[in-house]
Amino acid sequence: GEDVEQSLFLSVREGDSSVINCTYTDSSSTYLYWYKQEPGAGLQLLTYIFSNMDMKQDQRLTVLLNKKDKHLSLRIADTQTGDSAIYFCAESISDSWGKLQFGAGTQVVVTP
Amino acid sequence: EAGVTQSPTHLIKTRGQQATLRCSPISGHTSVYWYQQALGLGLQFLLWYDEGEERNRGNFPPRFSGRQFPNYSSELNVNALELEDSALYLCASSGPGTAQETQYFGPGTRLLVL
Repeated sequence: GEDVEQSLFLSVREGDSSVINCTYTDSSSTYLYWYKQEPGAGLQLLTYIFSNMDMKQDQRLTVLLNKKDKHLSLRIADTQTGDSAIYFCAESISDSWGKLQFGAGTQVVVTP
Repeated sequence: EAGVTQSPTHLIKTRGQQATLRCSPISGHTSVYWYQQALGLGLQFLLWYDEGEERNRGNFPPRFSGRQFPNYSSELNVNALELEDSALYLCASSGPGTAQETQYFGPGTRLLVL
């Protein structure tokens, strides 16, 4: 199947680290992505990782990729109230060019 | 640099009517993608246009169609609207200078079918 799976909800205290997990299905995916969606808005590209990488760091964001388990994670360091949003992971589909397969999204709520 | 723009921001139609949604890609991008984000169904891939041609299509009926113009902007047309077409329609673009097919999204058009 083509289901990308994510946990639906994460609550985190301000200043702590957040970790959002995702499992994907296409072992031939070239790129994997993390997007952020704030209420009433479109999708903001946060970061992406090429499939031959294990880790990518970009300021407060760290992406870890385990190709063997098809597991992707996004760590947000020093989580702020402005990080409250829905986070989507997405994979490129090797046999359907142009298509990104999205997970259902993880709602992150940051509490003071 | 301007991002992807979409118009209108909101659209209200009645069942059976036609809706036309518009998208302008980031300057220099040649590919445009359309997605539907309906409540409870998540983000679903609709269409991909590149260099004026439809390159791929998701699992949607033919009443969902579109086109890409010579300036790379795009239109999505939804004919014979049904209540379940109510959704946020997101457009994305990609092109040279980005990591392969990395897609950058616009703010969306919220379509309500009554």
